[in-house]
Amino acid sequence: QQPVQSPQAVILREGEDAVINCSSSKALYSVHWYRQKHGEAPVFLMILLKGGEQKGHEKISASFNEKKQQSSLYLTASQLSYSGTYFCGTEGGFGNEKLTFGTGTRLTIIP
Amino acid sequence: DGGITQSPKYLFRKEGQNVTLSCEQNLNHDAMYWYRQDPGQGLRLIYYSQIVNDFQKGDIAEGYSVSREKKESFPLTVTSAQKNPTAFYLCASSISLSTGQNTDTQYFGPGTRLTVL
Repeated sequence: QQPVQSPQAVILREGEDAVINCSSSKALYSVHWYRQKHGEAPVFLMILLKGGEQKGHEKISASFNEKKQQSSLYLTASQLSYSGTYFCGTEGGFGNEKLTFGTGTRLTIIP
Repeated sequence: DGGITQSPKYLFRKEGQNVTLSCEQNLNHDAMYWYRQDPGQGLRLIYYSQIVNDFQKGDIAEGYSVSREKKESFPLTVTSAQKNPTAFYLCASSISLSTGQNTDTQYFGPGTRLTVL
């Protein structure tokens, strides 16, 4: 089943923080995060695996709560370049299933 | 440079016509995928292929067909049976569907925007 992302859209001023959530109704093996600029291909950000640690680099990080079947993406001190639509892709089973993508969260950063 | 290419970038089709979208990758990936993207609906899987000469239906396969004769190529045909084909189509590939031990990242092509006139 398709994971649910929240919020659907958010507008921030440059320098503010954002949290994007991804929830699934089934047990997860991994969560993938992608960012897509308008009219372009999605670009991979990071993977979080079951039993793994929180990941991230500099101002973009993510967590994975296996018990709650949720993942959150954290964007700190947002920059104009962070604008785009963020998708989570979830994988269930034992890492042997295809990804199912959420409907996306549109993030707009304004100066 | 390794990557995924899709052509054409924009495609216009008359109702009742079949049209084929190209997807080529030189990443030596075994698995390839086709997604459809409509506004507000995210990415929906049309077909995927784990190895050459094998492919499986995704969530919205009706009205589409694929082939996988070569590892590098995974063309998608949008047939006249697809009632609402206007959309943005994305091709992706990964090292494998999954090894069961490692989860493989999907790399996306630039997409083809199909419009039915």
